Amino acid sequence: DTAVSQTPKYLVTQMGNDKSIKCEQNLGHDTMYWYKQDSKKFLKIMFSYNNKELIINETVPNRFSPKSPDKAHLNLHINSLELGDSAVYFCASSMDRFSSYEQYFGPGTRLTVT
Amino acid sequence: LAKTTQPISMDSYEGQEVNITCSHNNIATNDYITWYQQFPSQGPRFIIQGYKTKVTNEVASLFIPADRKSSTLSLPRVSLSDTAVYYCLVGDINFGNEKLTFGTGTRLTIIP
Repeated sequence: DTAVSQTPKYLVTQMGNDKSIKCEQNLGHDTMYWYKQDSKKFLKIMFSYNNKELIINETVPNRFSPKSPDKAHLNLHINSLELGDSAVYFCASSMDRFSSYEQYFGPGTRLTVT
Repeated sequence: LAKTTQPISMDSYEGQEVNITCSHNNIATNDYITWYQQFPSQGPRFIIQGYKTKVTNEVASLFIPADRKSSTLSLPRVSLSDTAVYYCLVGDINFGNEKLTFGTGTRLTIIP
């Protein structure tokens, strides 16, 4: 069983398009996260949700909008894609916000914007 | 947030014990030290966490001196499958400070 899953695994799209990445965790965790890992391999947090409530919102363009329909799902929607959005996006979860040191990461979604 | 410094890369032979040291001179009283491992094309994986002295689990040991200004991740008898990037993270896990801040990590290569 996959603990944290993401779809799609690969996403190739053109500039200006709108796309979504889905994330689901079956661990029963309360807290979920989105990270971006760029070509230099720096991993930076973007958002965090705790029980469907936004708790971390880093300096991210407002073209990025997370949505959490329930605590097991955290989707990432990106409007008007730009070349600089090309990266690997990781979803993660932790038992709760007090256990954020131990996060379980998904396999990543490699987004390529052409 | 405490800044961390790790070697960019390390090589080791199979079967050896590997020690990766992380410096965090301005660690705060509430900060914990956490290590993650990332294989190519995968998300990071939690390895171990500690506050002081020594912590050991089935994967690794973490040594933290009394002044807590550094920490050492020890991997016993490494194998080729331990080739990965290892991240040292320092942060306050108290309520309201949930961010994990990843640095550049140490790229460990195990040589047959």
